[in-house]
Amino acid sequence: AQSVTQLGSHVSVSEGALVLLRCNYSSSVPPYLFWYVQYPNQGLQLLLKYTSAATLVKGINGFEAEFKKSETSFHLTKPSAHMSDAAEYFCAVSVASGTYKYIFGTGTRLKVLA
Amino acid sequence: DTAVSQTPKYLVTQMGNDKSIKCEQNLGHDTMYWYKQDSKKFLKIMFSYNNKELIINETVPNRFSPKSPDKAHLNLHINSLELGDSAVYFCASSQVGEGSGYEQYFGPGTRLTVT
Repeated sequence: AQSVTQLGSHVSVSEGALVLLRCNYSSSVPPYLFWYVQYPNQGLQLLLKYTSAATLVKGINGFEAEFKKSETSFHLTKPSAHMSDAAEYFCAVSVASGTYKYIFGTGTRLKVLA
Repeated sequence: DTAVSQTPKYLVTQMGNDKSIKCEQNLGHDTMYWYKQDSKKFLKIMFSYNNKELIINETVPNRFSPKSPDKAHLNLHINSLELGDSAVYFCASSQVGEGSGYEQYFGPGTRLTVT
C-alpha cells in the first residue's frame, strides 16, 4: 500500500524567499509521484511529476522537485516565491499497475508575505 | 476548450433529496475518477472507471452510485443526501497503461451543500 505525508499544513515565506514544501512517501513498489496546486475555489493543476525518469523534475511556474529514494522524499522547491504562488499544494503517489489511483497527502497551504 | 468539465459547479439541496453530478472529458482518456474533498481539504478517491468498467470502489456508502455511459463521461448520483455529504467533488481523468504519463487531469469541482 502507498501513503504520503506532507510535513507542515501551513508554510509562510516572504516574497522572493525560497519555497520548500515537504513530501515523504511510502510504497512497496516503485512509485509515481506528483505535485498539484489548488487555487481558491478551483480544481487541481499539475505542477510536476516523477515517473522513474530523471530524479530532478522541473515543472511549471518555476517549481522543481527531487526524487530521493534513500530518503523516500519528493520535496517541492522554488528559488524565489511570488505572491501568486499562494495556494494549497498537494503531493500524491500512485503506482503503474492495478487501479492507478492517487493517494494524496493532506495538503500544505502556502502563504507568501509581502 | 475545457479538458475536464463538471456540472453543476454549485449544488445546494436539502437532506433526503437525490442529486446527480455530471462529468465529461475531451482528452480521449480511458480512465475517469471521482474524488471527495472535505472541509479540511483532504482528498480521497471514491470511484474509478477504466473503459466504462468500475475498477475502484472505495468504502463509499451505497447511496453513491457512479455511472459511465461511455469513456468520456462519468456521472455521480447520490440518493438520500445527508449533511455529511457536503463537500467538493472532483472528477478527474487519465490515460493509463504502458507509455502513458499517468497524470490525472481534474475538473473544476462541484461544491455540494446539504442543508
